[in-house]
Amino acid sequence: AQTVTQSQPEMSVQEAETVTLSCTYDTSESDYYLFWYKQPPSRQMILVIRQEAYKQQNATENRFSVNFQKAAKSFSLKISDSQLGDAAMYFCAYRSTTSGTYKYIFGTGTRLKVLA
Amino acid sequence: DADVTQTPRNRITKTGKRIMLECSQTKGHDRMYWYRQDPGLGLQLIYYSFDVKDINKGEISDGYSVSRQAQAKFSLSLESAIPNQTALYFCATSVAGVTGELFFGEGSRLTVL
Repeated sequence: AQTVTQSQPEMSVQEAETVTLSCTYDTSESDYYLFWYKQPPSRQMILVIRQEAYKQQNATENRFSVNFQKAAKSFSLKISDSQLGDAAMYFCAYRSTTSGTYKYIFGTGTRLKVLA
Repeated sequence: DADVTQTPRNRITKTGKRIMLECSQTKGHDRMYWYRQDPGLGLQLIYYSFDVKDINKGEISDGYSVSRQAQAKFSLSLESAIPNQTALYFCATSVAGVTGELFFGEGSRLTVL
């Protein structure tokens, strides 16, 4: 069975600095999707970035980028130029591409604090 | 207006009461899900539905039931609420294939006293 592990329950970063959130996963599949979701205090779950496993290029969305290491089964999120609005819970998630598969596996989350 | 709408946003109820959480979506997606979020546990799947006639149990379905009234509506019921069902509940939708991402509602916080 697939698993997703976020080993950092909480992280802090100074405003304007860079922070990296870690995520590792375990799977025997070769093709899948990986996601980072942000949950601010408003509790809405917002997609930050996605990565298709077949793509070697790391995904980037403005100040957010990932370091996808398929062989190591690692999917870290880098936030550059951190802003106060980045303070939130961040969840890493895995989804199989196997036909008919319903399951998204979520990590336990990392709470990011941004210090002014 | 939100594409995935949940009602109520917050509810306090007593042990043994029946409670229904409702979800409606305007995204036209076939797939709908109910998740439960507890501190330190991430999101756990309760039920999912791929179309109106398709209902499936997730990891933690005991004590819950669902109804898919239409493509756009998916309700979660707690027939007899208990305190350990106190949690934040999310409805989500997705499209088969393509990017595969989940689109979430704003969450329903349920407290069972």
